Amino acid sequence: GENVEQHPSTLSVQEGDSAVIKCTYSDSASNYFPWYKQELGKRPQLIIDIRSNVGEKKDQRIAVTLNKTAKHFSLHITETQPEDSAVYFCAASTYTTSGTYKYIFGTGTRLKVLA
Amino acid sequence: EAGVTQFPSHSVIEKGQTVTLRCDPISGHDNLYWYRRVMGKEIKFLLHFVKESKQDESGMPNNRFLAERTGGTYSTLKVQPAELEDSGVYFCASSHGLAGNQETQYFGPGTRLLVL
Repeated sequence: GENVEQHPSTLSVQEGDSAVIKCTYSDSASNYFPWYKQELGKRPQLIIDIRSNVGEKKDQRIAVTLNKTAKHFSLHITETQPEDSAVYFCAASTYTTSGTYKYIFGTGTRLKVLA
Repeated sequence: EAGVTQFPSHSVIEKGQTVTLRCDPISGHDNLYWYRRVMGKEIKFLLHFVKESKQDESGMPNNRFLAERTGGTYSTLKVQPAELEDSGVYFCASSHGLAGNQETQYFGPGTRLLVL
């Protein structure tokens, strides 16, 4: 079945450094790739997304890149701050035979930003 | 706008007991999804409602799990009888449902279920 691999599982960076989280998906028909941030005890929240007709998208300190050929997409956080500490999930969305969309999530990356 | 809400936030039950989780989606959202995350693993899809209809229940683990969405508003997920491996965080998410569009799913805070 479809799957999404996410690496690394944990990542520690010094405040101000950059962090990169990488995901690989298996279903070449996937066409939408959201990233969710889950802070401790809180709900997963969408932080950025990218569609398959775009190679890169940026929102302030956060950017996502997509390589459709390689089926890779990555989250880049620059100038990290302690409040960026959280678990980050990537997902790939695929159109199903039942006529709907389904998210396949990665296993999550626990990011720690050290002050 | 109120977000997706879930009840209870935590539930601790013994093996063999029954538990019912509830999800209230964002008002007006036709799509409602249930997911589960077991410790350290991915957020795994369980099923998808469009209004009151089950569109995709391919992720439901077995027949001990029953989801309903009567009237197309809130949804319940019942586990009966619960087993140890059912422990995890159960998330609900909703999206508006504009036909043909891939939309953002908004997540609830989750219900942390522990089966002893």
